Amino acid sequence: DQQVKQNSPSLSVQEGRISILNCDYTNSMFDYFLWYKKYPAEGPTFLISISSIKDKNEDGRFTVFLNKSAKHLSLHIVPSQPGDSAVYFCAASASPYSGAGSYQLTFGKGTKLSVIP
Amino acid sequence: DVKVTQSSRYLVKRTGEKVFLECVQDMDHENMFWYRQDPGLGLRLIYFSYDVKMKEKGDIPEGYSVSREKKERFSLILESASTNQTSMYLCASSSMDRLNTEAFFGQGTRLTVV
Repeated sequence: DQQVKQNSPSLSVQEGRISILNCDYTNSMFDYFLWYKKYPAEGPTFLISISSIKDKNEDGRFTVFLNKSAKHLSLHIVPSQPGDSAVYFCAASASPYSGAGSYQLTFGKGTKLSVIP
Repeated sequence: DVKVTQSSRYLVKRTGEKVFLECVQDMDHENMFWYRQDPGLGLRLIYFSYDVKMKEKGDIPEGYSVSREKKERFSLILESASTNQTSMYLCASSSMDRLNTEAFFGQGTRLTVV
């Protein structure tokens, strides 16, 4: 049973337009969410995160939105650039203080974003 | 700048060999993790450690073991390599200093078992 789901394996977007990557989760104990970007043959790099006490976090061209009631988050990239072409992983964790007792990140399967020049 | 270094970028091993994947981090992080990445399956946690000599099984520990004798080093051991362990292996570390912190990843080791 997947606790973090990225239902779109791939997404193609024109350069300059908005990219929206979606992620759903099922575990209500998750209270911290992250997005990672991964190029081929490299390790994932952290992009942006959001705590469950917020519904939006912005960092430059990247914005993450969290809808707790729907257990859904999304990553918006505006404007999209060819260098954004990569696999994007959504990840979630439960605070050790929530009683879940774990620092581990649970990842989705990833969405491959292609930004077309 | 956090640095997580994996000992090899590419490895080719024979079926049945004992394989060691080494990972070192330089940020004094308490937590260290081993994931594998396979097409269509995302990143799956094999083992993690939150302290020296401590280890916890992740989602897919079968066929693997780990060792953490020093805080900065976390080793993944394939006791008897099999072809279904051909994969990209990723080591990560994170701090316990704040709640829910991001993990920093190494560059990955592409292991092929023939």
